[in-house]
Amino acid sequence: DTEVTQTPKHLVMGMTNKKSLKCEQHMGHRAMYWYKQKAKKPPELMFVYSYEKLSINESVPSRFSPECPNSSLLNLHLHALQPEDSALYLCASSHTPGGLAYEQYFGPGTRLTVT
Amino acid sequence: AQKVTQAQTEISVVEKEDVTLDCVYETRDTTYYLFWYKQPPSGELVFLIRRNSFDEQNEISGRYSWNFQKSTSSFNFTITASQVVDSAVYFCALSVTGSRLTFGEGTQLTVNP
Repeated sequence: DTEVTQTPKHLVMGMTNKKSLKCEQHMGHRAMYWYKQKAKKPPELMFVYSYEKLSINESVPSRFSPECPNSSLLNLHLHALQPEDSALYLCASSHTPGGLAYEQYFGPGTRLTVT
Repeated sequence: AQKVTQAQTEISVVEKEDVTLDCVYETRDTTYYLFWYKQPPSGELVFLIRRNSFDEQNEISGRYSWNFQKSTSSFNFTITASQVVDSAVYFCALSVTGSRLTFGEGTQLTVNP
């Protein structure tokens, strides 16, 4: 099973709202990722968790707050977003790199619109 | 620093034509990994292939084939007898650290019936 699931599929939120994106995988992967993708652009890495610990934060604004409750789940908490944060948010998972680079398996994404 | 260049922004072909998507990469590391991903309109990135820098063997998987040439720093992807379902954005990516993928800008492939 190479499936990564993400909920919700679509989200519209106001600038004062608080919402969360959820991601789940059952492939036994211990590395999980959040990406942001704008239209007609490649995905941009936001965060990496390795063994449930945050290992990479690509200088993402604090209005985005990741959380990894366990090895299968990854959340992205959103608060006070700006309209320019509207994008497709992709979750991915992989075997833990440890010097190698494994393929990442992506979820279908959450299409976020900030009004 | 790493860089991936996909010079073809958009390609349009007619069904059953063969099409090659180009990917040129730059890195000073001797150990690196190359990937191709497909992103259909639904949005999900689908993993297609992973290649490490020590394995220059070309690979064929059904209608898909990949040509890795270290001498020209290229990792090109060919679809034989294209089909409408192949219409998607294709990304080439490079990794040297394991976690970070450096993506190219992507090539939008449209296969017309």
